[in-house]
Amino acid sequence: EIVLTQSPATLSLSPGERATLSCRASQNVSNYLGWFQQKPGQAPRLLIYDASNRAPGIPARFSGSGSGTDFTLTISSLEPEDFAVYYCQQRRNRPLGLTFGPGTKVDIK
Amino acid sequence: VQLVQSGSEVKKPGASVNISCRASGYTFTNYYIHWVRQAPGQGLEWMGVFNPSSGNSRSAQKFQGRVTVTRDTSTTTVYMELSSLRSDDTAVYFCASQSFDYWGQGTLVTVSS
Repeated sequence: EIVLTQSPATLSLSPGERATLSCRASQNVSNYLGWFQQKPGQAPRLLIYDASNRAPGIPARFSGSGSGTDFTLTISSLEPEDFAVYYCQQRRNRPLGLTFGPGTKVDIK
Repeated sequence: VQLVQSGSEVKKPGASVNISCRASGYTFTNYYIHWVRQAPGQGLEWMGVFNPSSGNSRSAQKFQGRVTVTRDTSTTTVYMELSSLRSDDTAVYFCASQSFDYWGQGTLVTVSS
């Protein structure tokens, strides 16, 4: 099973600041890596697919990069609605064997 | 596209739960459906994937033997049954579209004696 590690576990920032979230895979997943945002009581929301492609309707302040085992989600300037938990997900062997990372919580400093 | 799930359930240990996920807004048999769960205060856990066209499903290893997924093409609904429930199966269960761009609202399953 491919294990994903996310860091940091918690990121405390102020609105307007830049957020950089990391996701590392235990094996090469090529570019089959996605990012999700989840707010309390809601279903996850797809932000980024295939490492760097924004999902429809996702603001340009969200960007993804990386390939192989190391990936980054960047939020260029945090808006109040961006404070949430972010999960990465690999789908190298799609549609089977998908795994999620443990999440990074972005909270207000 | 919409995925609408059935309501909350409370079950006793050892029982089974059946959760439905009704799909609309697209051709039901063209895309897989995934199941994902989230225990209270925890992260997301992929459970398995279902092919509405063939009726075949594949589960993550930890759920093999306990998960059965079926569908009714006339109502474009997928059903996920989880059996031999334990307290640590208490979670919100989500269905999601093939590319995870659409999700159901979640179904809370509470397992308690």
